[in-house]
Amino acid sequence: DVKVTQSSRYLVKRTGEKVFLECVQDMDHENMFWYRQDPGLGLRLIYFSYDVKMKEKGDIPEGYSVSREKKERFSLILESASTNQTSMYLCASRPPGLAGGPHEQYFGPGTRLTVT
Amino acid sequence: AQSVTQPDIHITVSEGASLELRCNYSYGATPYLFWYVQSPGQGLQLLLKYFSGDTLVQGIKGFEAEFKRSQSSFNLRKPSVHWSDAAEYFCAVDKAAGNKLTFGGGTRVLVKP
Repeated sequence: DVKVTQSSRYLVKRTGEKVFLECVQDMDHENMFWYRQDPGLGLRLIYFSYDVKMKEKGDIPEGYSVSREKKERFSLILESASTNQTSMYLCASRPPGLAGGPHEQYFGPGTRLTVT
Repeated sequence: AQSVTQPDIHITVSEGASLELRCNYSYGATPYLFWYVQSPGQGLQLLLKYFSGDTLVQGIKGFEAEFKRSQSSFNLRKPSVHWSDAAEYFCAVDKAAGNKLTFGGGTRVLVKP
């Protein structure tokens, strides 16, 4: 079974703090993703990475950065946390390519971040 | 830009009754289509997916979905709901050869005993 783990289930940070959210997958997947989930808005893509040291902006990258130094690990960084970044953050991974049809994304359990 | 609409924010259904969740997408070509479920406190789990072939797709937990090109819809159904189906359900679209899922806003399903 694919396993995607996230470093914290719950996190409380103060405005202005630098926040690191860590994600690790154990299936050697090239593609990894960070989403935020807000009520009524579904999941929105923040950043994704298709290889080590590679990254691409998603739909809402402002206020976030990412790091992918190792294939299994993808970090989301909030340089200076703000209250509007209070949300649920979900990490996902996916194998490469589309041969045989689309591959599903495998999700971690999420980190609920509260910025006060 | 592609978008995904789930018109129902909440649905309440009695245990044993049938369930249908609606999903409409806007995209020029036929995208890859997914339904995910999120149980309380959990990440998302794939229920089923469609990319070609038979427009009626069977998934896990007794769910099925039907792709209707003419209506740009991919509705999810279950003939008889169990209490454990109480969860939030997300429809998602992935453009062919793309690497990004676009999600609908989700439908929260409550199951009455």
